[in-house]
Amino acid sequence: DIQMTQSPSSLPASLGDRVTITCRASQSIDTYLNWYQQKPGKAPKLLIYGAFNLHSGVPSRFSGSGSGSDFTLTISSLQPEDFATYYCQQSYDKPLTFGGGTRVEIK
Amino acid sequence: QGQLVESGGGVVQPGRSLRLSCAASGFNLNNYAAHWLRQGPGGGLDWVAAIEHDAENEYYADSVKGRFYISRDDSKNTLFLQMNSLRPEDTAVYYCATDPLNDLFEYWGQGALVIVSS
Repeated sequence: DIQMTQSPSSLPASLGDRVTITCRASQSIDTYLNWYQQKPGKAPKLLIYGAFNLHSGVPSRFSGSGSGSDFTLTISSLQPEDFATYYCQQSYDKPLTFGGGTRVEIK
Repeated sequence: QGQLVESGGGVVQPGRSLRLSCAASGFNLNNYAAHWLRQGPGGGLDWVAAIEHDAENEYYADSVKGRFYISRDDSKNTLFLQMNSLRPEDTAVYYCATDPLNDLFEYWGQGALVIVSS
């Protein structure tokens, strides 16, 4: 199975901050990497697919980069609605696996 | 606007069975592959099972293989998860999700809570 490791697990940040979350795969997954946002009590929402493609309706302050085994999710200027938990997921091979999550919280 | 609504969750004793449903509205579910995922008390997300848009193939996580079965009824625009021989470690919120291409989860239901406890 492909292991996905996110860092940090928790990220205190302030409004307007540039935030970067890292995801590392245990093997190369090309660009088969997706990012989700989850708020408490709600289902996850797709943000980015294929490492860098913004899902419909997602604000342009979100961006993704990387290929192979190292990926990043960047929020260019943190907004109040962005405080949430973020997960990466590999779609290179089954079983499909997720990172452990990064909680972006108010500093 | 399309929507997915899960039902069928609840409290069940170990060893018993439960069937989850995921009803789609506002779009044709048969245009998509579909998945079940779960999120346990620890908060991590786990993929459980997948079915191709034409139901030609099914795929399962090792932890549920031989106990859980995914199916779809396109006439009812509904996805199912039959869960047998349930274990306490199956306790989780179960989500259905659509997949427009290549194993990503585009739209999710609201979740159904399953608690396996004696």
